[in-house]
Amino acid sequence: EAGVTQFPSHSVIEKGQTVTLRCDPISGHDNLYWYRRVMGKEIKFLLHFVKESKQDESGMPNNRFLAERTGGTYSTLKVQPAELEDSGVYFCASSLLGLAGVETQYFGPGTRLLVL
Amino acid sequence: AQKITQTQPGMFVQEKEAVTLDCTYDTSDPSYGLFWYKQPSSGEMIFLIYQGSYDQQNATEGRYSLNFQKARKSANLVISASQLGDSAMYFCAMRWSRNDMRFGAGTRLTVKP
Repeated sequence: EAGVTQFPSHSVIEKGQTVTLRCDPISGHDNLYWYRRVMGKEIKFLLHFVKESKQDESGMPNNRFLAERTGGTYSTLKVQPAELEDSGVYFCASSLLGLAGVETQYFGPGTRLLVL
Repeated sequence: AQKITQTQPGMFVQEKEAVTLDCTYDTSDPSYGLFWYKQPSSGEMIFLIYQGSYDQQNATEGRYSLNFQKARKSANLVISASQLGDSAMYFCAMRWSRNDMRFGAGTRLTVKP
């Protein structure tokens, strides 16, 4: 069974440009999460989808970040315009729909974003 | 507020020995889950072990075991018989009723031959 996949694995862009990250969850996983790890800091939650609906987006840093999950399958995270402080590793995770705190989140390999 | 603390930024262990990675947490929610993830140099996050707040026994998965002390709010990871391939970053994480997950700062484990 394929795991969570993310594309691209690396992205180097200039400040002010737009970047779109993609996450394909494990097939059948209704929960999809985005996290990011900014250099030297801990991994932080960004948002949570249940199918195509945003369950919780309290971790989104500002309105330059837009996440979508049309059709409840893959998700995209767009950063527009990108700023230097957006550099870091963006992780996607998915899990089955179940009781909170019970199901395990499976993480993708991450997208390393560098904004110059 | 929910909080996860890993106080060891780096740890060294000799190959074949056991090592304990510390994790403490703080929450007022009675229902939560505790996770450990491994992040090798390749970058992906690998799930290792899970402990539910209502679980009576400590979780074990192969060479990994979780020393869960609920009253002390600690969930230390014990790796027995360390291998060179265990060298990586290790993250403790907690998940509660809000569905998101909070991570500790991580501990970098280096296994010496």
